[in-house]
Parts: sequence; C-alpha cells; structure tokens
Amino acid sequence: QVQLQQSGAELMKPGASVKISCKATGYTFSSYWIEWVKQRPGHGLEWIGEILPGSGSTNYNEKFKGKATFTADTSSNTAYMQLSSLTSEDSAVYYCARREGVWFAYWGQGTLVTVSA
Amino acid sequence: DIQMTQITSSLSASLGDRVTISCRASQDISNYLNWYQQKPDGTVKLLIYYTSRLHLGVPSRFSGSGSGTDYSLTVSNLEQEDIATYFCQQGNTLPFTFGSGTKLEIK
Repeated sequence: QVQLQQSGAELMKPGASVKISCKATGYTFSSYWIEWVKQRPGHGLEWIGEILPGSGSTNYNEKFKGKATFTADTSSNTAYMQLSSLTSEDSAVYYCARREGVWFAYWGQGTLVTVSA
Repeated sequence: DIQMTQITSSLSASLGDRVTISCRASQDISNYLNWYQQKPDGTVKLLIYYTSRLHLGVPSRFSGSGSGTDYSLTVSNLEQEDIATYFCQQGNTLPFTFGSGTKLEIK
C-alpha cells in the first residue's frame, strides 16, 4: 500500500537550515507529484509547493520562494524539502503528500519543526 | 490566490446525527474541491475529491456536493471515530489553497 514516511521532529536555531525527508513506498515514486504543506496553529494549511521526482520539475507557492527548496532521490524513493534562514515563523508541522489529479491522496505523518534560540 | 472560507470553525453533534460542513471559494472552482479529515493525532486523510467522489476505503456515510463557489461535506450517522477537523481544498488553480478547517465534536 502507499505509504509516506517522514523524518523526525527537529529543533533548530534561528538562521539555520533544516532538511525534511519523505520516503515513499508502495508505488512508482517517479510518477507522482509530491506535495509539501505547512500547518501552524491559527494559520490552517498552506501549500508550499511540489516536485515531480521523475523529472525534478517543481512548482512553488510564490510565498515560499527563497524559503523552501525541493529535491528528490529516485534511487531511494525519497523526497526532501530544505527550509533556509529559519525564523520563529517557520515553526510548524510540515506534511508531504502524494498528488493524484489535483487532490492529495496520501499523506505523511507530519514533521514538527521548532525554531528556538 | 483563491480564498477558501469555512465559516463554521467548530461544530458539536450527537452520535448518529447527520452533519453538514460548508466551504466557499472566492471564485468559481469548477468542482475541483476536495475534503480532508485530520484526526487529533495529526493524521490527515483524503475523504472526497472532485466535489463528490469518495476516496478508496472511505465509509459511504461521507458524501460531498456543490458547484461553482459553494460546496459541502455531509457526514451521516455520526460515529465516534469521525471526531476530527475537516478541511476543504481547491485544486482549480495554483497555488492550491485550503479552508481554515471545521472541528467536529461530540455533544
């Protein structure tokens, strides 16, 4: 069955970068867009962007350009999101999801990123 | 960006009730409206896509309807396991956008 397993919680200092992983199993990794979504209390869910692992094509929400960078390794069926120049505004739970059509059919369990001095 | 509005932030109902959750888009989204369930532990699942199509494994007590800018999710015969927050999402135009969520609680 389709599964997306994300990396564990991170505690980061302001100004640092963090790289979150999302390992896919149960399907052909290269063929489906991987989405990234941010969730903060009081801010709902925000779409950060997406990557198509087979081609490396990406689409970013304008709001997150310069903040997030997506990569994918088809040899290990793993997608990554790097967040740079972290501030307290980046403290959130980040989800990866597999897109089908224009809906997010399967989700990872989420990765909590806490930015604190 | 298309704004998605879920006016009701929380809803309380009894087991066995039928509840309806609403979602409004800031412009016509041509039925590209999807619904998700987020459990208290953070687990997120797709319930309904393209307004009314049930995702694999989703109980038939969930249903969706709507058109244009107005959409709804209905849960019939409410069960304890339905306690969660429900989000709508539009897939008509990038960037994809979500509603703010409706938290469903048991009376």
